[in-house]
Amino acid sequence: DAKTTQPPSMDCAEGRAANLPCNHSTISGNEYVYWYRQIHSQGPQYIIHGLKNNETNEMASLIITEDRKSSTLILPHATLRDTAVYYCIVRDYTGTASKLTFGTGTRLQVTL
Amino acid sequence: KAGVTQTPRYLIKTRGQQVTLSCSPISGHRSVSWYQQTPGQGLQFLFEYFSETQRNKGNFPGRFSGRQFSNSRSEMNVSTLELGDSALYLCASSFLPGGAGGPGSYNEQFFGPGTRLTVL
Repeated sequence: DAKTTQPPSMDCAEGRAANLPCNHSTISGNEYVYWYRQIHSQGPQYIIHGLKNNETNEMASLIITEDRKSSTLILPHATLRDTAVYYCIVRDYTGTASKLTFGTGTRLQVTL
Repeated sequence: KAGVTQTPRYLIKTRGQQVTLSCSPISGHRSVSWYQQTPGQGLQFLFEYFSETQRNKGNFPGRFSGRQFSNSRSEMNVSTLELGDSALYLCASSFLPGGAGGPGSYNEQFFGPGTRLTVL
């Protein structure tokens, strides 16, 4: 089972900031949070990852709460091309191996 | 740098047949993971290969198998196809295997465009 929970859908007006929340209350102290997105029928695209500090790259910002139980992905100026399903993921470890366990994600609809 | 490539992009098979899908990772990446995506089950992990060895396996029947070659290219095979095997099959590559370094390390995976398999 996925170790994260996300709202199933969100809407955002083009040009506005899209704030996508994620709950990961069982995360261990040294596990990273990864964000991917999937535009219809394409392969998931890596967006950003973080551990404790807030992170920013050319695509998005990631805000992680101090207790690390939740995070928010921020798309500062959403465009129609940002319409996608966004996945928040914490790696699932079995011994020395791990895998990305995708939940149901948040379907972000950006509108005019 | 070229991304992850998967061939073929689309495939139609009939029940009982077998199919082989191919994945070429990003140059320099040695880990390849396979995922199945269906509308009902979402994205599910199939298996991961690193240096020609299977390191991790998801909960799929033995009809699903894979292998990795010395050049890191990977193939997955599904035998005795069933209607429920219709899905988008995704391959992802990374430099290190999924658990490398333990929970305190990060390891980005980059996905290919997928192979859309339809079983009739």
